[in-house]
Amino acid sequence: GNSVTQMEGPVTLSEEAFLTINCTYTATGYPSLFWYVQYPGEGLQLLLKATKADDKGSNKGFEATYRKETTSFHLEKGSVQVSDSAVYFCALSRAGGYQKVTFGTGTKLQVIP
Amino acid sequence: EAQVTQNPRYLITVTGKKLTVTCSQNMNHEYMSWYRQDPGLGLRQIYYSMNVEVTDKGDVPEGYKVSRKEKRNFPLILESPSPNQTSLYFCASSIQGETDTQYFGPGTRLTVL
Repeated sequence: GNSVTQMEGPVTLSEEAFLTINCTYTATGYPSLFWYVQYPGEGLQLLLKATKADDKGSNKGFEATYRKETTSFHLEKGSVQVSDSAVYFCALSRAGGYQKVTFGTGTKLQVIP
Repeated sequence: EAQVTQNPRYLITVTGKKLTVTCSQNMNHEYMSWYRQDPGLGLRQIYYSMNVEVTDKGDVPEGYKVSRKEKRNFPLILESPSPNQTSLYFCASSIQGETDTQYFGPGTRLTVL
């Protein structure tokens, strides 16, 4: 079946540091890939997505590229801020039919001033 | 304002006492889902619904029931709660299609004693 594996957290970075959160997936067909963010005490919200190979999703300075050859969708940001502290979830949506979404376990990011 | 609402936000109950968590969306979305979030396990889908009167099991449906009598509402029912159902629950909705964004509610933290 489909699965998503993302790096263990928590990740602690200083403000303005470079961020990478790794995500790899296993899926049949050609899934769509997502990064969701969960701020403390809130529900998840979509951060970015990519629907086909080599697509790059971007939002709020975050980027991720759909790499079919390595089945990866790593999240990056060039300069993190304290306000980026949150839990980040990688997810995939299977192709065709109902878009059942499979989530990774989440990576907690803490940015310190 | 487009939103998904859940009630209650916090609930402490005892084993065996039936409870219902309500979910409502005002975006006329066809699809709705329930997830539970547990440490180290990420989000797991409990049930989903593709439209009124159409529901199906997700990955962890045991001990839960749902109904979809109206398009906007998708309540989650625990007929006889047990301590292993202590968790953080999220409702989500989305429009039809395989790459659509899911909109999440704020979550319900349930404790079963």
